[in-house]
Amino acid sequence: DTAVSQTPKYLVTQMGNDKSIKCEQNLGHDTMYWYKQDSKKFLKIMFSYNNKELIINETVPNRFSPKSPDKAHLNLHINSLELGDSAVYFCASSRGTMSADTQYFGPGTRLTVL
Amino acid sequence: GQNIDQPTEMTATEGAIVQINCTYQTSGFNGLFWYQQHAGEAPTFLSYNVLDGLEEKGRFSSFLSRSKGYSYLLLKELQMKDSASYLCAVENGGSQGNLIFGKGTKLSVKP
Repeated sequence: DTAVSQTPKYLVTQMGNDKSIKCEQNLGHDTMYWYKQDSKKFLKIMFSYNNKELIINETVPNRFSPKSPDKAHLNLHINSLELGDSAVYFCASSRGTMSADTQYFGPGTRLTVL
Repeated sequence: GQNIDQPTEMTATEGAIVQINCTYQTSGFNGLFWYQQHAGEAPTFLSYNVLDGLEEKGRFSSFLSRSKGYSYLLLKELQMKDSASYLCAVENGGSQGNLIFGKGTKLSVKP
């Protein structure tokens, strides 16, 4: 069984469109994250949710909106896509937010905006 | 500001030992992680240090000096499958779970 799964794996779309990426974890973890990894492989946190509540919200455009229907799911919706949004987006989860709680990453979604 | 520095690339020979260094300046510190990321795949956890000293786990060891803002990952008996990027990440003291990643070190292991 996959621990952290994301769909779709690849997403190609036109500028200006709205798209969503889904994430699910079956580890029973309380905390989930979204990261963006750019073309230079720099991995940067975007959001974090603990028990469906937002706890980390880095400087991310308002066009990005995370939604957590339950603690096993954290979806990412992106409005009005721009060329600069092209990147690999990783979902991750951890048991909690205590120090040393290891984060487990999903396989990533490669988003290409044309 | 937050800054984590690692070498961009390293090359080593199969069977050898390689040390990947990481220096950091962050507003807070709750621990340091090392992750391995193969091309096109997700990062996977390797090690965690919060106290000064060496943590050994099989062929991989990680060292931390909090006073110097310095860590290294030591890989012994290198294998071809160790070719990957190695990411140093600091858990920022301000927000637990908030990992600040370095840009990663791409390690190439040659026969």
